[in-house]
Amino acid sequence: GAVVSQHPSRVICKSGTSVKIECRSLDFQATTMFWYRQFPKQSLMLMATSNEGSKATYEQGVEKDKFLINHASLTLSTLTVTSAHPEDSSFYICSAPQAYRNTEAFFGQGTRLTVV
Amino acid sequence: GENVEQHPSTLSVQEGDSAVIKCTYSDSASNYFPWYKQELGKRPQLIIDIRSNVGEKKDQRIAVTLNKTAKHFSLHITETQPEDSAVYFCAGERFNKFYFGSGTKLNVKP
Repeated sequence: GAVVSQHPSRVICKSGTSVKIECRSLDFQATTMFWYRQFPKQSLMLMATSNEGSKATYEQGVEKDKFLINHASLTLSTLTVTSAHPEDSSFYICSAPQAYRNTEAFFGQGTRLTVV
Repeated sequence: GENVEQHPSTLSVQEGDSAVIKCTYSDSASNYFPWYKQELGKRPQLIIDIRSNVGEKKDQRIAVTLNKTAKHFSLHITETQPEDSAVYFCAGERFNKFYFGSGTKLNVKP
């Protein structure tokens, strides 16, 4: 199947700093990517849809100014957690369906963010 | 968006027994229903999926059934093994967005 690579896999940062997470589709193009957040022992919650060449769309309750999303190319989306706080500590995971195909979503390996 | 409910939240079975996890969804326009297995700290892995034009799909010990009229679908695992222990998520899909159920922690006791 297609491969989605996410980087970094783990990051620890200080409160108030920003953290960038990358999501790359390695062997296919993805006009759309999705960002999810998963708190311990909870489900994956869709945060936002990253659209290549246009603005991201955010789910209700997700602060767009805090979670900046950039979809610079057909293979790369980035999520920047700005002014991170301990409550932002979570598992962030991206997914990407293959462009123009109605197939399964391929997930990145996830990023464990810890804000201290 | 889609609202997906999943139960039970935890399920313990003896090795060799069957396990059933059930989900309901709200959006009648949804037509793709995957099931994911997630081990601790790892990404979800697709184990089986079903589209709305079929009522059942089977892959070895795993099967999924779908009732579009009632808007529910179920995961069936037969002859469970300890390595089946994980958290399982169902999902409904709309425009490639996935709305996940709350998850079921399956524990298969040897």
